[in-house]
Amino acid sequence: GEDVEQSLFLSVREGDSSVINCTYTDSSSTYLYWYKQEPGAGLQLLTYIFSNMDMKQDQRLTVLLNKKDKHLSLRIADTQTGDSAIYFCAESPSGSARQLTFGSGTQLTVLP
Amino acid sequence: GAGVSQSPSNKVTEKGKDVELRCDPISGHTALYWYRQSLGQGLEFLIYFQGNSAPDKSGLPSDRFSAERTGGSVSTLTIQRTQQEDSAVYLCASSFLEETQYFGPGTRLLVL
Repeated sequence: GEDVEQSLFLSVREGDSSVINCTYTDSSSTYLYWYKQEPGAGLQLLTYIFSNMDMKQDQRLTVLLNKKDKHLSLRIADTQTGDSAIYFCAESPSGSARQLTFGSGTQLTVLP
Repeated sequence: GAGVSQSPSNKVTEKGKDVELRCDPISGHTALYWYRQSLGQGLEFLIYFQGNSAPDKSGLPSDRFSAERTGGSVSTLTIQRTQQEDSAVYLCASSFLEETQYFGPGTRLLVL
């Protein structure tokens, strides 16, 4: 079945870049997503990438997709303390967004 | 317009009691999803509604869980005879057709 894996923790210094990695198994995934969850809050959609793209940039966020290796990454430039949160990678399996499969989330801690 | 809203935001109940959780999707969104997030884990898909089609209930963990969606809008997730392992954050999301899912803030359920 489908599986999405992420490392559990990442710590960076304020002002540095953060790179959060994700691997997935479903080669038929059409869209891949990054969501952010702050303490006590729901999930906020950050960005998504269509599977025929290699890269997408949106302000401080850069998403890289290596479809051959089934590897997705999220780079946050100039990381700020407000970026501290849990980041979830998700895929829409079998070309449909009807049931997202999520990774377990990466806890990003930004140190002053 | 307004985002996805959920109520209550927090619910504490005793083991064996029934609970109802409510979700108001974004106006005009045709699809509605329920997920469960247990402590320290990723999101687990529960159920999906799309328009007037039969719901996809493949993620419901037991027959104690049920959901309905009235008038193609508001949805209620019901858990009967709650157990301690049902304690989790229950997240609702909505989307237009099967496009990007937008999440509500969640209902935090604690079963004592």
